[in-house]
Amino acid sequence: EPEVTQTPSHQVTQMGQEVILRCVPISNHLYFYWYRQILGQKVEFLVSFYNNEISEKSEIFDDQFSVERPDGSNFTLKIRSTKLEDSAMYFCASGGQGTVYGYTFGSGTRLTVV
Amino acid sequence: GQQVMQIPQYQHVQEGEDFTTYCNSSTTLSNIQWYKQRPGGHPVFLIQLVKSGEVKKQKRLTFQFGEAKKNSSLHITATQTTDVGTYFCVISGNNRKLIWGLGTSLAVNP
Repeated sequence: EPEVTQTPSHQVTQMGQEVILRCVPISNHLYFYWYRQILGQKVEFLVSFYNNEISEKSEIFDDQFSVERPDGSNFTLKIRSTKLEDSAMYFCASGGQGTVYGYTFGSGTRLTVV
Repeated sequence: GQQVMQIPQYQHVQEGEDFTTYCNSSTTLSNIQWYKQRPGGHPVFLIQLVKSGEVKKQKRLTFQFGEAKKNSSLHITATQTTDVGTYFCVISGNNRKLIWGLGTSLAVNP
């Protein structure tokens, strides 16, 4: 069964440092998302990406965040200057043209900012 | 903005008991999806409901979409310890943005 792959599984970084979270979505999917989940809390939408551009972003997704699809297979989330409150599990998800099969999530990257 | 309310937030049952979680929206929905997240895991798609009054079953799980397409429920018959996790209802906003309920965390006592 096709999978969404995320690396690294765990990242520890110092406050103020830049981090790049990587995702390889399912190859024939067209819609890509980043979500985050603070431990035990709801899943929060960050950004959606379609046709090589951002289609929607949340208020969380400020100037410190950016996304790229640099080579047609990878989908990255960059946080320029991490804050303590950025500590969370970050999930990448992808979806096909239709929604009947839902969206496939990666296993997540646990980001810890110290 | 568009929101979906999900209740209860937590449910603790004895193995073999039934379990139901409910989602409500103030607006008519085009569809609703359900996901399950095991502790420490990632959300996994369970099902999508599209039609008014639709009922779908997956083994012991029964999903229902209300007649007015404003509410939905997930019912698990005779829970097992493998059912433990958080169940989320998810609706689609503009540009296929997914809007998540808070989830219902299910604990099952063996």
